[in-house]
Amino acid sequence: NAGVTQTPKFQVLKTGQSMTLQCAQDMNHNSMYWYRQDPGMGLRLIYYSASEGTTDKGEVPNGYNVSRLNKREFSLRLESAAPSQTSVYFCASSWGGVLRANYGYTFGSGTRLTVV
Amino acid sequence: AQSVTQPDIHITVSEGASLELRCNYSYGATPYLFWYVQSPGQGLQLLLKYFSGDTLVQGIKGFEAEFKRSQSSFNLRKPSVHWSDAAEYFCAVGAVWGSYIPTFGRGTSLIVHP
Repeated sequence: NAGVTQTPKFQVLKTGQSMTLQCAQDMNHNSMYWYRQDPGMGLRLIYYSASEGTTDKGEVPNGYNVSRLNKREFSLRLESAAPSQTSVYFCASSWGGVLRANYGYTFGSGTRLTVV
Repeated sequence: AQSVTQPDIHITVSEGASLELRCNYSYGATPYLFWYVQSPGQGLQLLLKYFSGDTLVQGIKGFEAEFKRSQSSFNLRKPSVHWSDAAEYFCAVGAVWGSYIPTFGRGTSLIVHP
């Protein structure tokens, strides 16, 4: 039972390079999320997908794009990486929706990204 | 919109001592409330959650939390801390109406001394 799987675990990029962070869940969850975690800032929502076929901006979407490829997979793309995007990125999933919000999230183990 | 505050950035306790981590929220009705734990280099793991009913909720790893509506608080407690409890703890609040996406606090780092 893998839960939420993120790849890669570590990545170093040069400024201006692009990359895609992959996320897959095997719990049949409807909703998926991308967060970034920075020291003293807690978790900030980048984008989320309430259900297959929909995506919405979160608190800090600038510089990122997402794709909900199918119910299982939700990718995050950095088109032109900047040093300010150095962070730890977490993918999460949940049943989603108001009636199921009480189930909480399942998180992946994170991707540590450094942009130099 | 809801908000959550964790007043303590760091908490240091001795192994075997009791623990209380504070969480205060702002929301116009009874919210969903969560506590997550993050061990070093790991993702967040759900410790416990509250959404209705009994105001004292039990979680994994021997943790419990009490919802106090009058104080808008949801403090996390453990009677005897183990060295393995050293981690970052996050409180989160979710709305019952409107957006269901929870808002996370900035976290409290727990340091356990032997």
